[in-house]
Amino acid sequence: SQKIEQNSEALNIQEGKTATLTCNYTNYSPAYLQWYRQDPGRGPVFLLLIRENEKEKRKERLKVTFDTTLKQSLFHITASQPADSATYLCALRNSGNTPLVFGKGTRLSVIA
Amino acid sequence: GAVVSQHPSWVICKSGTSVKIECRSLDFQATTMFWYRQFPKQSLMLMATSNEGSKATYEQGVEKDKFLINHASLTLSTLTVTSAHPEDSSFYICSARANSGDTQYFGPGTRLTVL
Repeated sequence: SQKIEQNSEALNIQEGKTATLTCNYTNYSPAYLQWYRQDPGRGPVFLLLIRENEKEKRKERLKVTFDTTLKQSLFHITASQPADSATYLCALRNSGNTPLVFGKGTRLSVIA
Repeated sequence: GAVVSQHPSWVICKSGTSVKIECRSLDFQATTMFWYRQFPKQSLMLMATSNEGSKATYEQGVEKDKFLINHASLTLSTLTVTSAHPEDSSFYICSARANSGDTQYFGPGTRLTVL
């Protein structure tokens, strides 16, 4: 069956360091992979989208990589700040008018 | 980025009553919208895909007669939880994608509490 795994339920990191979150998937050939941030009691906020034919995307302090051979995406936050503390969700979808399917998320805590 | 709104942001109702949640795409048109549900400390689970002008497509295990979806226009979808019970208490989140876009945007969510 299809599975999306975010290997860490929680990740603690010191302020200023780079946080790296992992998303692995099986039995899936996604056309799109997206990362979202979710704060408690709020809906997910879109961060980055990467397509199957793209290797890397960057936006300010954020970087996403997509390896379709390893079936893995890495999400990096450089120079992390306490305000980056949140749950980060990996989501995949196929091409066409298909919905996103989510991983369970990784709760990141950046400690000052 | 595109904006998706939801109303109400929270609602408390008595068991057996019905609750309607509205989802609007404010600055783009969406032929398709999606409804998700999220229980505490869990991820988002897709409930149904809402198609403008036609019937919604429900995920396995989601009762279509209990969760009524109406996608009346290209910017509005509604979810009605009928005869709500305490186990329906959850965080309901809608999502939309512009007809010409790849990114899926989410509303702020509606916290439903059924007493």
